Amino acid sequence: DQQVKQNSPSLSVQEGRISILNCDYTNSMFDYFLWYKKYPAEGPTFLISISSIKDKNEDGRFTVFLNKSAKHLSLHIVPSQPGDSAVYFCAASARENNNDMRFGAGTRLTVKP
Amino acid sequence: NAGVMQNPRHLVRRRGQEARLRCSPMKGHSHVYWYRQLPEEGLKFMVYLQKENIIDESGMPKERFSAEFPKEGPSILRIQQVVRGDSAAYFCASSLLSGANVLTFGAGSRLTVL
Repeated sequence: DQQVKQNSPSLSVQEGRISILNCDYTNSMFDYFLWYKKYPAEGPTFLISISSIKDKNEDGRFTVFLNKSAKHLSLHIVPSQPGDSAVYFCAASARENNNDMRFGAGTRLTVKP
Repeated sequence: NAGVMQNPRHLVRRRGQEARLRCSPMKGHSHVYWYRQLPEEGLKFMVYLQKENIIDESGMPKERFSAEFPKEGPSILRIQQVVRGDSAAYFCASSLLSGANVLTFGAGSRLTVL
């Protein structure tokens, strides 16, 4: 059961433009959402998170938006840089069982110089 | 302060052999999680352990897979009688607090079953 879905396996943007990565979830019990970034041959690293009590969280060039009614979240990167090229995983957990964080399949972002 | 250390980074086994993957959590972290990433898929939770205890193994296959986190030494994920479908990247993560939402991941161990 794929409770967290990232429907775009890949995304390519020009340097300096905005990158928008999308994520949908089906479990209404999820109340904490995270984005992880993964470079080849490395483990995922935490990027940014958002709690369900908020609809936006910003950290520098990275902003995560949460639309609870649509069960949708997105990660905006602006301006995009070549170093942002990586696989981005969306993850979600529910407070009652946050040992089991559910991950999407990932979106490979390529930022072209 | 080293991060989460996993070894081996690459492991090749023939069908029917055993695979042992090791994970040393970050210094001070006593909570360890194992995830598996199959090709073209996301990370899937397998098991959550604290020292000497398995807290949640709801993601572990019922047979051939086991995990431990002894009082001394690394956590070990053991796969007996490996099959080709076990080929995957296995990631270990650790956290300082129980149920912490931000996990620190290791670089992963890639298992290839011939």
